[in-house]
Amino acid sequence: DAGVIQSPRHEVTEMGQEVTLRCKPISGHDYLFWYRQTMMRGLELLIYFNNNVPIDDSGMPEDRFSAKMPNASFSTLKIQPSEPRDSAVYFCASSLAKSGRAKYEQFFGPGTRLTVL
Amino acid sequence: SQQGEEDPQALSIQEGENATMNCSYKTSINNLQWYRQNSGRGLVHLILIRSNEREKHSGRLRVTLDTSKKSSSLLITASRAADTASYFCATCLGPYNQGGKLIFGQGTELSVKP
Repeated sequence: DAGVIQSPRHEVTEMGQEVTLRCKPISGHDYLFWYRQTMMRGLELLIYFNNNVPIDDSGMPEDRFSAKMPNASFSTLKIQPSEPRDSAVYFCASSLAKSGRAKYEQFFGPGTRLTVL
Repeated sequence: SQQGEEDPQALSIQEGENATMNCSYKTSINNLQWYRQNSGRGLVHLILIRSNEREKHSGRLRVTLDTSKKSSSLLITASRAADTASYFCATCLGPYNQGGKLIFGQGTELSVKP
């Protein structure tokens, strides 16, 4: 089992550029979560999907952020235009909560470290 | 403010000693989870305790939950240098399919010296 896969692992970009982060959840998982981690704010939930449908995007900081999940095996988080304050580590996590007793454990990817200059 | 707040923020112990980390939260929960994060890595799930449970064990880990005090503790017994990491509690207010989600505390940074 490959686990949650994220790409790229590191991204350095200049202010104003578009950034796209990618995530492949664990096969068969029906929930996908995007988090952002900074020293100041800790780990924040940005958005999560159930069966490819966005359920809660209240954590998305502003309209510059958007997320999609076109199919069960792929999701993207896009920032356009990027700003220096977007610098953080972005994590994707997936979970299996269907069929029977709910399971709440989340499996995290290795993260993408984003630096916006 | 954070749903989960952890104490202490940092803890330094010698190998073989026990490490205790505490987590307090504000609202009723469905379950509480503990995760570990090694430097530069993603979080790894350690243990989950449901709101109707008071204590749970997994290997060298012991978790307690006191819903009347809205607090939980994580005990790592006979610590090893490899336990050096940040530990986070996360509260889950309900099933994900009912809008529940995990809210993470700020974490406790544990350093175990050989």
